[in-house]
Amino acid sequence: EIVLTQSPGTLSLSPGERATLSCRASQSVSSTYLAWYQQKPGQAPRLLIFGASSRATGIPDRFSGSGSGTDFTLTISRLEPEDFAVYYCQQYGSSWYSFGQGTKLEIK
Amino acid sequence: EVQLVQSGAEVKKPGESLKISCKGSGYSFTSYWIGWVRQMPGKGLEWMGIIYPGDSDTRYSPSFQGQVTISADKSISTAYLQWSSLKASDTAMYYCARRGGSREFDYWGQGTLVTVSS
Repeated sequence: EIVLTQSPGTLSLSPGERATLSCRASQSVSSTYLAWYQQKPGQAPRLLIFGASSRATGIPDRFSGSGSGTDFTLTISRLEPEDFAVYYCQQYGSSWYSFGQGTKLEIK
Repeated sequence: EVQLVQSGAEVKKPGESLKISCKGSGYSFTSYWIGWVRQMPGKGLEWMGIIYPGDSDTRYSPSFQGQVTISADKSISTAYLQWSSLKASDTAMYYCARRGGSREFDYWGQGTLVTVSS
């Protein structure tokens, strides 16, 4: 089973700043099978990025994903007020899926 | 428009059984896997299992194998998650989600809150 570890646990930033969220896997993950989600309180998760770097339909271009192997990154170039939420990475490998524990992005 | 609509909130007692549902529309239900994800209060997302409604091929996370049963009725485009004997620790929000081509979950249901309390 592949374990995903996200860091930091909480990130405190101001609107307009750049956010960099990390997702590290316990073993190599195919870039094709790495995704990122955003979850706001009381809502279902929303797909942001799939295939490590492809934006889902309707996702603004301030969101970008990168990485390969065991290290992946979600970058939000200029934070908007609606971006403050919890973010999860997710992988698929050998018929199993797993999520990271999440990074909470909060307003500073 | 792709939609996954889940059944409503449930309040149950320990030891009771429960089956919650997830109805898909706006796409070919038999052509996409449907996964189930648990979110305990204040916690993160946990993958429980997944089913291919086309032939009912089902996979379970080792953490949930034997604890729940996932099924689907393709005639009514609905997937199910069921428990035979609930525990207080099953209290959580449960989401269904459609799996896309890169093994991502591209569309999500609104969630079903299950509360188990004596």
